[in-house]
Amino acid sequence: EAQVTQNPRYLITVTGKKLTVTCSQNMNHEYMSWYRQDPGLGLRQIYYSMNVEVTDKGDVPEGYKVSRKEKRNFPLILESPSPNQTSLYFCASSFRLATVNEQFFGPGTRLTVL
Amino acid sequence: AQKVTQAQTEISVVEKEDVTLDCVYETRDTTYYLFWYKQPPSGELVFLIRRNSFDEQNEISGRYSWNFQKSTSSFNFTITASQVVDSAVYFCALSENAGGTSYGKLTFGQGTILTVHP
Repeated sequence: EAQVTQNPRYLITVTGKKLTVTCSQNMNHEYMSWYRQDPGLGLRQIYYSMNVEVTDKGDVPEGYKVSRKEKRNFPLILESPSPNQTSLYFCASSFRLATVNEQFFGPGTRLTVL
Repeated sequence: AQKVTQAQTEISVVEKEDVTLDCVYETRDTTYYLFWYKQPPSGELVFLIRRNSFDEQNEISGRYSWNFQKSTSSFNFTITASQVVDSAVYFCALSENAGGTSYGKLTFGQGTILTVHP
């Protein structure tokens, strides 16, 4: 089944404790992206990747890191999480020609930073 | 910088009513892409449509239709004869090149919460 998977789905952590949210897709998509969703702010793009080893900042990259060493995986790393990073996070992927096409989203990861 | 505004935070209608969700965007590019996504109460995000800036034809898909007007920078979404299952948060999004080499950067609107009452 074609899908985007994220792990964990739920995470409660404490300020400063490094964490990684994994994202994997099995559709051989070139494009992958991370978003956070907050009430009243909609979805905001954190980072995106057009292909392996090619990443770029979205609108809210501060406090986050990503890597794209393999086509299927695009982990989101919070080196030192803070309470303002409490949010719902979505990973997405897309088959890309010259533009972003339909994005397939993962189920979301709800992160709470105490 | 690109910007997407969905001025309607919440809309409430009764089943069978028609409803239009507004989306206004700002961009400096002449080539860009517009999207609509649906997020039902279960939380997943579902793609509805993609439109490029050179295609101003309106599109209809069943009860859904989209009106793209470059002159007013709007890409509105209409649901005809709404149903309870249409209750969801709807997001409009914009992808532009902005002088770069890719269209990977996406900006979403704040979303419109649509509630359809039986």
